[in-house]
Parts: sequence; structure tokens; C-alpha cells
Amino acid sequence: AQTVTQSQPEMSVQEAETVTLSCTYDTSESDYYLFWYKQPPSRQMILVIRQEAYKQQNATENRFSVNFQKAAKSFSLKISDSQLGDAAMYFCAYSSRTGTASKLTFGTGTRLQVTL
Amino acid sequence: DTGVSQNPRHKITKRGQNVTFRCDPISEHNRLYWYRQTLGQGPEFLTYFQNEAQLEKSRLLSDRFSAERPKGSFSTLEIQRTEQGDSAMYLCASTSDRGDTEAFFGQGTRLTVV
Repeated sequence: AQTVTQSQPEMSVQEAETVTLSCTYDTSESDYYLFWYKQPPSRQMILVIRQEAYKQQNATENRFSVNFQKAAKSFSLKISDSQLGDAAMYFCAYSSRTGTASKLTFGTGTRLQVTL
Repeated sequence: DTGVSQNPRHKITKRGQNVTFRCDPISEHNRLYWYRQTLGQGPEFLTYFQNEAQLEKSRLLSDRFSAERPKGSFSTLEIQRTEQGDSAMYLCASTSDRGDTEAFFGQGTRLTVV
């Protein structure tokens, strides 16, 4: 079974600064997807960024980028130019390409605070 | 279509009572998932539907839990004889089957069993 570990329960960043959230995972599969989801307080979870394991190039979405290290099974999220609206719970998630379609295995989350 | 809709948003029930939650996925999505999220944890997979067929159930889904998706549209999750340990946020998500892996989540139903 796959597992996802987020070792930072809480992180804090000043507005306009850069922060990196860590995620490691364990799997015996070679083909899979990795995701970062954002869950603002009392609002639904939304996709921030996704990475396909067979792609060596790290995914980027505007101010969000990942550092995907497949051999190390590491998948960190970098948020540049942090904004107050980035404050939320961030979940790292894994999805197999061969198992149940789009079934997600989540980490325990990192709560990001953004300060002025 | 404004996204995945879940009702009710909050439910308080006494131990031993039955509760039912509803999820309306994005209309063109034929895959629907239920997850449970307890305080301080990430969501955990409960069950998955492809159209009206329930194709996978987690070990977390005890025999007190039942889910349906009649006609492949909305889904219901029923918990019978609720226990305090059932208190959690129940999340619904949907995806298309076009190879797009993005899951769209509802706001969840927060269940409190007293």
C-alpha cells in the first residue's frame, strides 16, 4: 500500500517571501501521479499542482512549483511571493495509474500561515 | 454547474441514530468518491463509483455504512447506528473519465455524534 508523509504540521511565511512544504511517499509502483491540494478554512479542497511520475520536468503553476525527486520519493511544494490568500491546509496526495482511477492517498497536511 | 455540492453542511445526531448525506457531483463526471477526514488528518478513501456501479470499498467502510448512486447521478452515504467515532468531515469528490486526473471536491458534511 502507498503512504504519504508530511512531516511539517505547521509552517509560517511572511507575505512576499518563499516557503517550501515537504512531502515524502512510499510506493512500489513506477507510474503514478502526485498532487498538492489546498484546503482553505471552511472551503472545499482545490488542486494546486500535479506531477506525473514519468515526467522528469518539475511541474510549475504560476507562483507554485514542485521539486520532484523520484529516486528519493520526495515531492516538495515551493510557493513564491506568498500572499495572504495562500493561508490554508496543504495536502500532498498520491494516485496510482494502475489502481482505482483517481483514488487519492493523502498525507496529514501542513497548515500554512502567512503573516504581514 | 457550480461544482460538487454536498448536503447538509453540518449534522449533529445522537449516538445510535441513522444519518444520510447527499453528494451532487459535477454533471458530466461519471466517477464519484467518498472520503472521511478526521481532525488533524488527511482525507481517507471510503468508496468509489463509476456511474452507478460501486467498484471499490475501503476496509474503513464498516457494515454500518452504505453508499448508493442510483442512475449514476447523485450519491448518498448512509451511516446506521452512529457511534461517536463516526464524527468526522465526509467529503465527496468527482472526476471525469477522460484521463483528466483532477478531482473536484465538495465542501463536505461535518458530522458530530453526541
